[in-house]
Amino acid sequence: DAGVIQSPRHEVTEMGQEVTLRCKPISGHNSLFWYRQTMMRGLELLIYFNNNVPIDDSGMPEDRFSAKMPNASFSTLKIQPSEPRDSAVYFCASSLGLSSYEQYFGPGTRLTVT
Amino acid sequence: AQSVSQHNHHVILSEAASLELGCNYSYGGTVNLFWYVQYPGQHLQLLLKYFSGDPLVKGIKGFEAEFIKSKFSFNLRKPSVQWSDTAEYFCAVKAGGTSYGKLTFGQGTILTVHP
Repeated sequence: DAGVIQSPRHEVTEMGQEVTLRCKPISGHNSLFWYRQTMMRGLELLIYFNNNVPIDDSGMPEDRFSAKMPNASFSTLKIQPSEPRDSAVYFCASSLGLSSYEQYFGPGTRLTVT
Repeated sequence: AQSVSQHNHHVILSEAASLELGCNYSYGGTVNLFWYVQYPGQHLQLLLKYFSGDPLVKGIKGFEAEFIKSKFSFNLRKPSVQWSDTAEYFCAVKAGGTSYGKLTFGQGTILTVHP
C-alpha cells in the first residue's frame, strides 16, 4: 500500500508566485483533508472533501487559498499569490469516510516563501 | 465547536521513566479520540484511537490511553519510555454534529527522552 502521496516534498518560491501542492489519497478512501502545520499555530485543518465534494472550507485562511478535487485520486491546494507567512508544512490526509475512521497522513510538503 | 488542550508543551524524561501526557477536550456530544505521533522530520502516525467500548485503549509501541468521559480527558501513558519515543505527540478529537468528520488537534507535546 503506497499510502498518501504528496508532491513536491519541498517547495521554495518567491513572494507573489503561484504555488500548487498535490495529493494522491489512498485508493478507496472517500475523504480527503488538507492541514497546515506551523510552530505558532500548530496543526490546522484547512479544508476537507467527501466523495470529491468540499464539505468544510472554513479553515482556509484567505481567498488566496483554493483547493480542488477533480477526481477520487487527486487533489490540489493552490496559493496565489504566495506570501512569506504561508511558509509551513502542508499535510494531506485521507480516510475511508467521515464517520468513525482514522485519517492517514502523507509525508507533507514543506513550503518556504521568501 | 470542539477544542483540544494539551497540558504540557515540552516534557523531558530519562529512559525507563513513566510517561503521562494530558489531553482535555471540549465538546458535549459523542466523540472519537486519537493520539498521533510525529517523529522528527516525519509525518503523523496514529498511535491509538478510541471510538467506543472499553475506555482503556492500547496502541502501538506500548502506549495506552484512558478515556474519562466525566473529565473530558484522554491522557496518554507509557510505563517505561525509550529514547526512540522522542517525538511530538498530538491529541485529536472528532465530533459529530456540524463538525462531522472534522479532526481537531491539540497544540502538541514535544517529548524528549534522554538515554
